[in-house]
Amino acid sequence: QVHLLQSGAEVKEPGASVKVSCKTSGYTFTDYYTHWVRQAPGQGLEWMGWISSNTGATNYAQKFQGRVTMTRDTSISTAYMELNRLTSDDTGMYYCVRDRHADYWGQGTLVTVSS
Amino acid sequence: EIVMTQSPLSLSVTPGEPASISCRSSQSLLHSNGRNYLGWYLQKPGQSPHLLIYLGFNRASGVPDRFSGSGSGTDFTLKISRVEAEDVGVYYCMQGLLAPQTFGPGTKVDIK
Repeated sequence: QVHLLQSGAEVKEPGASVKVSCKTSGYTFTDYYTHWVRQAPGQGLEWMGWISSNTGATNYAQKFQGRVTMTRDTSISTAYMELNRLTSDDTGMYYCVRDRHADYWGQGTLVTVSS
Repeated sequence: EIVMTQSPLSLSVTPGEPASISCRSSQSLLHSNGRNYLGWYLQKPGQSPHLLIYLGFNRASGVPDRFSGSGSGTDFTLKISRVEAEDVGVYYCMQGLLAPQTFGPGTKVDIK
């Protein structure tokens, strides 16, 4: 069965960086893009971008351009999302998602930005 | 970017009764391949969202047949034929046609 397992909760100070991992199983990792979606507390869903798990090509939402980096390690079927220069507005749950249809979601990683 | 809207934003339903949620996009979601890149998702309290409907009307694996999707172009509808207690949560539509992929604001469904 398809499974996306994300890394654990993080607490960061403003200005710091966070890197979230998403280890996949149950399917051929390089056959699907990996997307990242975030959700601020009590708010809706916001698409951050995608990475081609095969080629490593990326496409980021303009809002996150220059602050986000998505990478992957095909040898361990894992995708990563790094967000820099964190502010309190970045507090929220971050999800990795399989493919443009978002057919499978990770369990989410809570990132808290606080001094 | 494509703007997604949903109505209503909240819905209180009696178990066994039908429910319907509308989703509209600011641009057509119809691809040249004839498919509408519109999905529906349910986020139950305390859980990750999960896929209900993809490409406008296809039920995802394991989704009960009381859920159905319809529509094309810019107007889409999610229908629940008979709401059950386990259907509570927030329903989102999302367009997957163009980056940035965008979500509707969500429709909160609860049980009367």
